[in-house]
Amino acid sequence: NSKVIQTPRYLVKGQGQKAKMRCIPEKGHPVVFWYQQNKNNEFKFLINFQNQEVLQQIDMTEKRFSAECPSNSPCSLEIQSSEAGDSALYLCASSPWGGGAEQFFGPGTRLTVL
Amino acid sequence: DAKTTQPDSMESTEGETVHLPCSHATISGNEYIYWYRQVPLQGPEYVTHGLQQNTTNSMAFLAIASDRKSSTLILPHVSLRDAAVYHCILRGSSGQKLVFGQGTILKVYL
Repeated sequence: NSKVIQTPRYLVKGQGQKAKMRCIPEKGHPVVFWYQQNKNNEFKFLINFQNQEVLQQIDMTEKRFSAECPSNSPCSLEIQSSEAGDSALYLCASSPWGGGAEQFFGPGTRLTVL
Repeated sequence: DAKTTQPDSMESTEGETVHLPCSHATISGNEYIYWYRQVPLQGPEYVTHGLQQNTTNSMAFLAIASDRKSSTLILPHVSLRDAAVYHCILRGSSGQKLVFGQGTILKVYL
């Protein structure tokens, strides 16, 4: 069973507001991923980290989204100015390092932008 | 971008053994085959993964073809709790993202 913790479970924001969500990866997992799952259940990769360093991120993340994984603190994903199209389930996953490692998901933060 | 092909949906009855197929004809030598499942309002749940040899755990048996171009997730004695969307995904290193397709909707009836 996954031990990835995500908070809050639900988040409601108005357009233009900041939206911040947090993730505590499983202990000992240096790799953290953020995904967005829209209302059509389609997944979109946003960004991933190895420890505190960004491994890969998409353009959307570079412009309005910011994310970090500081040492000894939860990882976070923040939308600087929320838009209606950002309404989705935001999933955090963590993984040990090494070929064939499992990636475990948290329950997600469901963001609704009014 | 999904490199796997799965049927859109399958149906079963409680207690039956279900075989969920997945085609991955262009799999690379370093890519593992992962299976996840997801129910509404929850994040994806890891089921199993394998590279070349068949694998088994408490949830499922993964049968991998000898040429690795296809695999089958076998769920013994399914229950209503096994109803979910099952995703077959290829991934190389642990730093690589998972690319989800539409998956197979498994419906389980009494």
